[in-house]
Amino acid sequence: QSALTQPASVSGSPGQSITISCTGTSSDVGGYNYVSWYQQHPGNAPKLMIYDVTNRPSGISNRFSGSKSGNTASLTISGLQAEDEADYYCSSYTTSGTLVFGGGTKLTVL
Amino acid sequence: EVQLVESGGDLVQPGGSLRLSCAASGFTFSDYSMNWVRQAPGKGLEWVSYISSRGGTIYYADSVKGRFTISRDNAKNSLYLQMNSLRAEDTGVYYCARDGVVIRYYFMDVWGKGTTVTVSS
Repeated sequence: QSALTQPASVSGSPGQSITISCTGTSSDVGGYNYVSWYQQHPGNAPKLMIYDVTNRPSGISNRFSGSKSGNTASLTISGLQAEDEADYYCSSYTTSGTLVFGGGTKLTVL
Repeated sequence: EVQLVESGGDLVQPGGSLRLSCAASGFTFSDYSMNWVRQAPGKGLEWVSYISSRGGTIYYADSVKGRFTISRDNAKNSLYLQMNSLRAEDTGVYYCARDGVVIRYYFMDVWGKGTTVTVSS
């Protein structure tokens, strides 16, 4: 159950777009369309932003989008806003029936 | 309002035991499968365990297998995590999180605020 690989940090200016990658293996990310993304502000619980690779829960801005190619999933945030500054985690279902998270990416809005 | 409230976190010595609880409200708890997720201080999220809506299917992370036991009482709208043989690396905030209704969804759409477990002598 090795953690999925995410960049430790990304940054962007307000209004720009950024993409966070999440790399796994054929036993997790590449094998299933069960990748989800969570946003976590300091001191708060995680919040679901994307599920099943591309789907947004009700109430989540369409500035957030997800995709997947092979063993790598991606979260793109367009029209970056100050409130988007947070930690972001990807998660995937695995062949073992478990879930695995990425190490997390700290997004800084410059 | 859909809500999950964890409790039971405490300071415990290495080798000790602790039982966490998660009280659910605002939805039909017995229809949903549930997860525990933890976060060590300053670290990322780690999935811990899953239980299906009726408790018939259970999974654990390798790091806790054989030491932790997940369970639920649908009559009490409650989820539990019995933690034995605790280690320093079990220290962190423990979240309960809702999974899918009737079937597993493989994502968590509702999270509690967490309860803090500290394993230290």
